[in-house]
Amino acid sequence: DVKVTQSSRYLVKRTGEKVFLECVQDMDHENMFWYRQDPGLGLRLIYFSYDVKMKEKGDIPEGYSVSREKKERFSLILESASTNQTSMYLCASSPSTEGNTEAFFGQGTRLTVV
Amino acid sequence: DQQVKQNSPSLSVQEGRISILNCDYTNSMFDYFLWYKKYPAEGPTFLISISSIKDKNEDGRFTVFLNKSAKHLSLHIVPSQPGDSAVYFCAATSTTSGTYKYIFGTGTRLKVLA
Repeated sequence: DVKVTQSSRYLVKRTGEKVFLECVQDMDHENMFWYRQDPGLGLRLIYFSYDVKMKEKGDIPEGYSVSREKKERFSLILESASTNQTSMYLCASSPSTEGNTEAFFGQGTRLTVV
Repeated sequence: DQQVKQNSPSLSVQEGRISILNCDYTNSMFDYFLWYKKYPAEGPTFLISISSIKDKNEDGRFTVFLNKSAKHLSLHIVPSQPGDSAVYFCAATSTTSGTYKYIFGTGTRLKVLA
């Protein structure tokens, strides 16, 4: 079974703090993604990576950065947390194959910025 | 610009009846479509998918229909069960773009009444 593990289920951080959200997958997937989920807005793509040290901006990258130093690990960084970054953050991974395949999600991190 | 749209934020259905969830997309490069189910405080789980070379895919109680000319897909759940109560997201991707990026809709909250 594919396992995508996010380091924290719940986090509370102060405005201006630097925040690290960690994600690890155990299926040797090439692609990894960070989404945030907000009521009425669905899942919005922040950043994704299709290889080690490679990254691409998604639809809402402002205020975020990412790091992928190893294939299994994809980190989301909030450089200076703000209250509008309070959200559910979801990490996902998928293989790069010729065939069609789905993305597998972690359990999510509920981040509150106060 | 929302490339994947779910215009019904919520749906209530009696147990045993059919649930029909709808999804529209605008990008004609999308050729693979997925449905995910999400419970509160958990990550989305994959439900069913369909390739653009098909117009129907069935898996037990779940059937997805694709109308490419209308850029519309729907998920049918028959019979609906109380355990199906969750938020359902449709997603789309282009398998020919090389990036395997998944774009999600805003979600439909399904409530199945016992």
